[in-house]
Amino acid sequence: GAVVSQHPSRVICKSGTSVKIECRSLDFQATTMFWYRQFPKQSLMLMATSNEGSKATYEQGVEKDKFLINHASLTLSTLTVTSAHPEDSSFYICSASRLTGGDEQYFGPGTRLTVT
Amino acid sequence: QKEVEQDPGPLSVPEGAIVSLNCTYSNSAFQYFMWYRQYSRKGPELLMYTYSSGNKEDGRFTAQVDKSSKYISLFIRDSQPSDSATYLCAAHSGGSNYKLTFGKGTLLTVNP
Repeated sequence: GAVVSQHPSRVICKSGTSVKIECRSLDFQATTMFWYRQFPKQSLMLMATSNEGSKATYEQGVEKDKFLINHASLTLSTLTVTSAHPEDSSFYICSASRLTGGDEQYFGPGTRLTVT
Repeated sequence: QKEVEQDPGPLSVPEGAIVSLNCTYSNSAFQYFMWYRQYSRKGPELLMYTYSSGNKEDGRFTAQVDKSSKYISLFIRDSQPSDSATYLCAAHSGGSNYKLTFGKGTLLTVNP
């Protein structure tokens, strides 16, 4: 149990375009989902926290207008990278938890984004 | 100073060795401590989850937390080549704040 999927697993896009990444909890309802970014040989950096039906809470330094997060249902959250630039190329990972606010987080397999 | 410090390694050991992975942290509010295993180009997988100080054992894995010294450890007994991965420590303060703060991760290679 507690399986989280992400789609796509990897995506290549041109600079200036937008990319949407989906995060789904397959066998449980996720009241809270988290979006992380991980650069090579670096740790996971939390970008934002979203609770179902509420606006996401962004970490300091993360542009909310650039990284649009929607958590419209208890099993799906999406991250849209708008007007992507090469410096947005990274490994994006989502996690989901059953309880509001967090507790044990189950991670998705990640999405490799390359912006050319 | 980062809130969670972890030596990135790399660490290379022979099969069957006991592996010791360590992190230190600076935030006294941290109450919950986790170890995740991350294979290359995959998402992290939760290995151990502990609350406050003490030991927790699960098969070949033992997690230790010493809050007095702000030191957390993961021991792997009888290490196997399949244990080769990056190990990340993480912590959060609980309450209404479940944001995880991760260490940088230690790359472990277990050689057959």
